[in-house]
Amino acid sequence: NAGVTQTPKFRVLKTGQSMTLLCAQDMNHEYMYWYRQDPGMGLRLIHYSVGEGTTAKGEVPDGYNVSRLKKQNFLLGLESAAPSQTSVYFCASSHSLDGSNQPQHFGDGTRLSIL
Amino acid sequence: DAKTTQPPSMDCAEGRAANLPCNHSTISGNEYVYWYRQIHSQGPQYIIHGLKNNETNEMASLIITEDRKSSTLILPHATLRDTAVYYCIVRGAYSGGGADGLTFGKGTHLIIQP
Repeated sequence: NAGVTQTPKFRVLKTGQSMTLLCAQDMNHEYMYWYRQDPGMGLRLIHYSVGEGTTAKGEVPDGYNVSRLKKQNFLLGLESAAPSQTSVYFCASSHSLDGSNQPQHFGDGTRLSIL
Repeated sequence: DAKTTQPPSMDCAEGRAANLPCNHSTISGNEYVYWYRQIHSQGPQYIIHGLKNNETNEMASLIITEDRKSSTLILPHATLRDTAVYYCIVRGAYSGGGADGLTFGKGTHLIIQP
């Protein structure tokens, strides 16, 4: 069972470059999320989506854009990467039925370094 | 979401039960208690969640006090692979219909000793 798959697993960028992180889930989940985790800290929500074609801002959305063109995919974009965006990025998904009673399932993360 | 308080670290002997406490004294009636763990360099792994009643699954048991102000996660027979950071999270239904993100604190670093 694939679950939540994130690509790439590692990436090094130079300041100012752009890139897109891809998250794919095969569980037919309606909700999808992007988090970042910095050393010694818990995860912080960047953006989330409640369905195809919809997105919303989380706790730390600045410098990121997202798109949900297909139900199974949630893309996170960095238009002009900055060193402060060096982090580990996690994607998660969950069902929508009785939302707060549904666990989120996470991918294994993308480790991104901005030089 | 209600704030949670967990000890920063705990040790447990391999084969023994690991009991991880969590205080959530400001929890409201419609908020669930979730437990996740994160093994080094991996994504958070869902363990269990509950509202009022005690819950058990193949991984663990969750004991919630009657007043719901605290809970305990029990790993019945801890193994070395259970060494991880364990997060206790309180979550309710908000404007996003339950789609809002999870609030991760610093958790408890559980170390299973051989």
